[in-house]
Amino acid sequence: QLQLQESGPGLVKPSETLSLTCTVSGGSISTTNFYGGWIRQAPGKGLEWIGSMYYSGNTYYNPSLKSRVSISVDTSENQFSLSLFAVTAADTAVYYCAWNDAFDIWGQGTMVTVSS
Amino acid sequence: DIQMTQSPSTLSASVGDRVTITCRASQSISRWLAWYQQKPGKAPKLIIYKASTLGSGVPSRFSGSGSGTEFTLTISSLQPDDFATYYCQQYNTYFRTFGQGTKVEIK
Repeated sequence: QLQLQESGPGLVKPSETLSLTCTVSGGSISTTNFYGGWIRQAPGKGLEWIGSMYYSGNTYYNPSLKSRVSISVDTSENQFSLSLFAVTAADTAVYYCAWNDAFDIWGQGTMVTVSS
Repeated sequence: DIQMTQSPSTLSASVGDRVTITCRASQSISRWLAWYQQKPGKAPKLIIYKASTLGSGVPSRFSGSGSGTEFTLTISSLQPDDFATYYCQQYNTYFRTFGQGTKVEIK
């Protein structure tokens, strides 16, 4: 059974880069038709898709974040990662990684606060 | 971008009620629609994909229907465990979008 786990700092300063990793267990990224996504949820708000990456290496980003986001994969570590540049307080949220076209597997989420 | 609009935003219901939530897409998404259930402090859980296919382990009181631009999620007999927020999400294009959510509250 595939499982996902987000990790990364819980506090990031304004203007810095938010970096999170999603570790996949119970299966290998390199032997599946990998489709990983990142979704966030600001406090008291709804879900916002950040971006996704296919096994082909193609990435797709929310147009509202496109200039500040990057998703990459490390098959040797069975992980995929999110980088969000030049963060502001508006980027404070719970960040989730998820799997498949319809996100049928989710990590538990990690809270990231942007504050000095 | 494809916009997803859910209605209502909040729904008050009692145990045993039949509940219907609607999701409309700003353009046709065929049947590429998923529904998620989220409880406070928890990750969303997939309950329906491809508009009408039940997710793994999801009770049969949940059902989904629709195609094109209009979709519904129905809970045939609301149970205490079903009080939560529900989101629709399109995956017709590479650029995914979620609805704003529908909170199902106890009446």
